[in-house]
Amino acid sequence: ETGVTQSPTHLIKTRGQQVTLRCSSQSGHNTVSWYQQALGQGPQFIFQYYREEENGRGNFPPRFSGLQFPNYSSELNVNALELDDSALYLCASSLSPRASGNTIYFGEGSWLTVV
Amino acid sequence: GQSLEQPSEVTAVEGAIVQINCTYQTSGFYGLSWYQQHDGGAPTFLSYNALDGLEETGRFSSFLSRSDSYGYLLLQELQMKDSASYFCAVRDPREGGQGGKLIFGQGTELSVKP
Repeated sequence: ETGVTQSPTHLIKTRGQQVTLRCSSQSGHNTVSWYQQALGQGPQFIFQYYREEENGRGNFPPRFSGLQFPNYSSELNVNALELDDSALYLCASSLSPRASGNTIYFGEGSWLTVV
Repeated sequence: GQSLEQPSEVTAVEGAIVQINCTYQTSGFYGLSWYQQHDGGAPTFLSYNALDGLEETGRFSSFLSRSDSYGYLLLQELQMKDSASYFCAVRDPREGGQGGKLIFGQGTELSVKP
């Protein structure tokens, strides 16, 4: 148990639809990062939020957007879904943006299938 | 660009020792981490090397050579439960190595046979 919870665990969407994924970070953690992991691949960094502000973004189009709330929970929104968006979406929380490897905690992820 | 290479799969038997290699090409370096992931669940942290040498944590050890841009994860006394995917990862040097932005390798799937 990492204390990071994500919902939903599995969902199926149709191409062109929109999806919102949610993450509750570990208590006291003010930094949340989102990753996309396609089947058989390593996680790819989408973006990071620190104290409700975006703090860096990976190579993902603007239809991937996010929010972080005052309680540091976070949402990932994806608009105009494409088939290639099918993946496991992972949320990771940490005490700060400068956290090192052993203080970054991942959730179990949300499996998104786009049909 | 930034990239990490590791073997796609490794097979070993229970009780054996296995080494998973990782080579990296990055414009800067802030340490190499190793994560374990079972069946697409949460990646869990195993080990971290910021400096050259060996770090030992129970049955798992990790080694780093910064001059060779190379590291490895060593798993001893393999157990069936060690069957999983293993990822090496570095902190993104383009962001000054600020923690949460990790670049992962493609992963090595370890199968432990009886």
